Amino acid sequence: NAGVTQTPKFRVLKTGQSMTLLCAQDMNHEYMYWYRQDPGMGLRLIHYSVGEGTTAKGEVPDGYNVSRLKKQNFLLGLESAAPSQTSVYFCASSDRGLAAYEQYFGPGTRLTVT
Amino acid sequence: RKEVEQDPGPFNVPEGATVAFNCTYSNSASQSFFWYRQDCRKEPKLLMSVYSSGNEDGRFTAQLNRASQYISLLIRDSKLSDSATYLCVVVSYNTDKLIFGTGTRLQVFP
Repeated sequence: NAGVTQTPKFRVLKTGQSMTLLCAQDMNHEYMYWYRQDPGMGLRLIHYSVGEGTTAKGEVPDGYNVSRLKKQNFLLGLESAAPSQTSVYFCASSDRGLAAYEQYFGPGTRLTVT
Repeated sequence: RKEVEQDPGPFNVPEGATVAFNCTYSNSASQSFFWYRQDCRKEPKLLMSVYSSGNEDGRFTAQLNRASQYISLLIRDSKLSDSATYLCVVVSYNTDKLIFGTGTRLQVFP
């Protein structure tokens, strides 16, 4: 099993450009999450999904959109990138609920917005 | 005040040493607690859950003190491979969110 994979691994965007980050998991997990990690801030939840076709806002959703059309995929979109979105983005999945169970993380996407 | 606070370190210890980290949390409704490990430029991975009665996994011991609202991680007989950042994670069921600490960096030297 590959676990959780993310593409791309690195990306540089100019302010105002758009992009989509792809997360895929092969563990048949119901729950999937997008986090961002910034120095001195810890991991912060952007959006999450409790199942195929569902999405919900996390702690810092502004400027991002998500879609979960297939159970194994969770896409994070940036419609108009801003320098404040420079960060490392991690996708995660879990077998059950948000709170009580181990989350499996992908390797991360390093995004720089200039 | 941050919901979850950790000393960022770094804690520099020699191989074989015992080292302990604490993590304090502010929400008394917090109900689940975890320690994750994150290697440099890698993703976080679950190290262990923290139970009310405390729990041990080999050289690692995790404890919870609800009265003082902190959790701890003790590492005995440190190995070079223990060098990493240790993230404290707290969950409150009333908000249904995982709150990550900023991490404590451990560096074990020969």
